[in-house]
Amino acid sequence: DIQMTQSPASLSASVGETVTITCRASENIYSYLAWYQQKQGKSPQLLVYNAKTLAEGVPSRFSGSGSGTQFSLKINSLQPEDFGSYYCQHHYGTPLTFGAGTKLELK
Amino acid sequence: DVQLQESGPGLVKPSQSLSLTCTVTGYSITSDYAWNWIRQFPGNKLEWMGYISYSGSTSYNPSLKSRISITRDTSKNQFFLQLNSVTTEDTATYYCARGAGTWFAYWGQGTLVTVSA
Repeated sequence: DIQMTQSPASLSASVGETVTITCRASENIYSYLAWYQQKQGKSPQLLVYNAKTLAEGVPSRFSGSGSGTQFSLKINSLQPEDFGSYYCQHHYGTPLTFGAGTKLELK
Repeated sequence: DVQLQESGPGLVKPSQSLSLTCTVTGYSITSDYAWNWIRQFPGNKLEWMGYISYSGSTSYNPSLKSRISITRDTSKNQFFLQLNSVTTEDTATYYCARGAGTWFAYWGQGTLVTVSA
């Protein structure tokens, strides 16, 4: 199975700041990577797929980048609604696997 | 708009089978896409369990292959999860989700299943 390693595990930031979350795959997954946001008690919501394509309705302050084994999700000018957990997931064949998550908290 | 809704028992005894239903509205499960089950354990780890495609083919996570079955009822626009021989390690929130290119744009709200005697 492809292992997905996210960092950091947790992150504290203030409204207006810019943050970056990284995800590393255990093997080359080209650009087959998705990012999700999850709020407490809710289901994950798709933010990005194919490493850099924003899902419908996702604000442009979110951006994804990377290819191969190294990926990142950048959030510019954090808004109050951006706090929660973020997960990466490869979509390069099965079994699909997720990163362990990054919890973004308000400083 | 596409909506998915999980339903089923919230408590299952060890060694028994876990059975869940995902009811889909707003889109026919026979039109396109893969219809998935994903679970999230306490501690938040996410695990893809498997899918049934619009054509009826299935794919399962090898870690579950001997215990899992995903089927469907096209007349009711529902698909189902059966997980056999459960243990306490199967306690999780179970989600159904629509996959496109194997990312998940639509998710149900999730249902917590606890395995306990």
